[in-house]
Amino acid sequence: GAVVSQHPSRVICKSGTSVKIECRSLDFQATTMFWYRQFPKQSLMLMATSNEGSKATYEQGVEKDKFLINHASLTLSTLTVTSAHPEDSSFYICSAKRGGEKLFFGSGTQLSVL
Amino acid sequence: ELKVEQNPLFLSMQEGKNYTIYCNYSTTSDRLYWYRQDPGKSLESLFVLLSNGAVKQEGRLMASLDTKARLSTLHITAAVHDLSATYFCAVDSGGSNYKLTFGKGTLLTVNP
Repeated sequence: GAVVSQHPSRVICKSGTSVKIECRSLDFQATTMFWYRQFPKQSLMLMATSNEGSKATYEQGVEKDKFLINHASLTLSTLTVTSAHPEDSSFYICSAKRGGEKLFFGSGTQLSVL
Repeated sequence: ELKVEQNPLFLSMQEGKNYTIYCNYSTTSDRLYWYRQDPGKSLESLFVLLSNGAVKQEGRLMASLDTKARLSTLHITAAVHDLSATYFCAVDSGGSNYKLTFGKGTLLTVNP
């Protein structure tokens, strides 16, 4: 079964509103989670590294005020897309490391901003 | 800056045939991953390769790693339609953070 749960799987919102996406590690603690963005038929681009109890580390070119990341517990990281615009429409995926060398990915969230 | 190049980007093959997807990366890395993605879905982990000469096999897929050449391959043996998907390789930039840089992906279509 899934070891990383991501919610919601799909969200449609109006331009200017904010959307929160949750990423939960199931049955394990994840001090570090990652948020990726994927445009249609393209690769995944790392947006930020989410660290429990501290500020997220953003990749170059990613607006931290636009994409707010909160990793308040060892099993939950959230990504909030603030004042969303149509160009923010994308597939967002989180991942977490659970022991060993494997990374597990959430099921993804398709965001559509109208 | 770590760069990951994957080729081919598109691969159309017949059932029963063999083929190889290549993944080159630009700097030394500790870990290399292969993932499968079906349309509209998230990533499914296929292989994790950790050392030079590592070879792993699962069903019709076999992955190998040559750290000296900075090259990994994903070999498909006797392809079947169910293997149709997009395959990504991803390379870890090192350290304990498991921060991945992905290739552009290979869209594999297996035709009957």
